[in-house]
Amino acid sequence: RKEVEQDPGPFNVPEGATVAFNCTYSNSASQSFFWYRQDCRKEPKLLMSVYSSGNEDGRFTAQLNRASQYISLLIRDSKLSDSATYLCVESSGGYQKVTFGIGTKLQVIP
Amino acid sequence: DVKVTQSSRYLVKRTGEKVFLECVQDMDHENMFWYRQDPGLGLRLIYFSYDVKMKEKGDIPEGYSVSREKKERFSLILESASTNQTSMYLCASSLPLTGSEKLFFGSGTQLSVL
Repeated sequence: RKEVEQDPGPFNVPEGATVAFNCTYSNSASQSFFWYRQDCRKEPKLLMSVYSSGNEDGRFTAQLNRASQYISLLIRDSKLSDSATYLCVESSGGYQKVTFGIGTKLQVIP
Repeated sequence: DVKVTQSSRYLVKRTGEKVFLECVQDMDHENMFWYRQDPGLGLRLIYFSYDVKMKEKGDIPEGYSVSREKKERFSLILESASTNQTSMYLCASSLPLTGSEKLFFGSGTQLSVL
């Protein structure tokens, strides 16, 4: 079983729609979680950290469910510029253990 | 802004060649990483370094080596390139883990081994 699992998509949604991605993780000792965004042929960039109590940054909301071992990313009022691949990342601490999911591709359609 | 610079955006090499991928960061970060990214497999850690002259194997170190002689520079070496090393290579740097790590990536090197 992969340590971090994501649905690769693509998710095709119309502008203005709300879309949510889930990501499951297998390591119950995971300490930190993040969402990265990667545009086509570009490097990944940190979108937001995921806090236990859930956190929001504008149209983006991230949540963590430790009991069920998943994190989620909700995007409200989707924009064309949100089209990208969203990578789920977990860290179990220490220098090495940062694990990336394969990413979920989002395509926002006019 | 942190800048992580990879020396080449595209490289084409022959099987058996020795290949050097260079990465330089300008924010005095202790940690540096080399990942490769392949479709359907995501980013996989090859090697990382948490200090000058220190290196640790990641998940897929076979066929690779690294060098960190200076804090700002982390080199990935393919001793004898093979076709299965065709991939996108991404270098990253970060401050030591504090529970909210932020990785800064370079723009990547697309390596093709023929």
